[in-house]
Amino acid sequence: SQQGEEDPQALSIQEGENATMNCSYKTSINNLQWYRQNSGRGLVHLILIRSNEREKHSGRLRVTLDTSKKSSSLLITASRAADTASYFCATAITGNQFYFGTGTSLTVIP
Amino acid sequence: EAGVAQSPRYKIIEKRQSVAFWCNPISGHATLYWYQQILGQGPKLLIQFQNNGVVDDSQLPKDRFSAERLKGVDSTLKIQPAKLEDSAVYLCASSLRISGNTIYFGEGSWLTVV
Repeated sequence: SQQGEEDPQALSIQEGENATMNCSYKTSINNLQWYRQNSGRGLVHLILIRSNEREKHSGRLRVTLDTSKKSSSLLITASRAADTASYFCATAITGNQFYFGTGTSLTVIP
Repeated sequence: EAGVAQSPRYKIIEKRQSVAFWCNPISGHATLYWYQQILGQGPKLLIQFQNNGVVDDSQLPKDRFSAERLKGVDSTLKIQPAKLEDSAVYLCASSLRISGNTIYFGEGSWLTVV
């Protein structure tokens, strides 16, 4: 399967700390996206990073991509209780056919 | 800008019954997706449309699932007959074009098969 695999499966941190979650995949990709899903809701797009990019920032989010290791990481700095959610990476081999991993469940304790 | 609209939000049916979900994508988005998300798992692509044509339906259980996007705008996903294992959230999503674009998701349609 070309699905991304997130690690860890679950993460619990104190408010204000940084949260790092990783995604590994098996085949070469065109781009990779990170999504957030609050309980009972749809997925919200966070960042798209293309295969020729190594790092992207958006507010408190930082995404890195290492195509040689076939891995990506999502860093959330200065976490807030509202960041509590599941985070998914989605990999695209061709076009916009994205394959999702099983997600990292993040809990930020106030 | 209006987001991806889905209905119904919740549905409970008995096994062997049928159910249909409706999706209206963001205006102007050519690509439409249906994903199935079982509790505790990531979304799994069921079918992808480009306008009114099917791009990928390799993971759609065609013996019981069908989907159409007749006019290249809104779409319907049907399950007939439903099985217990079909209990999941059915997520509709859309993107502007087929390649390299952000995918926007609706809130999902929650199906429970009893």
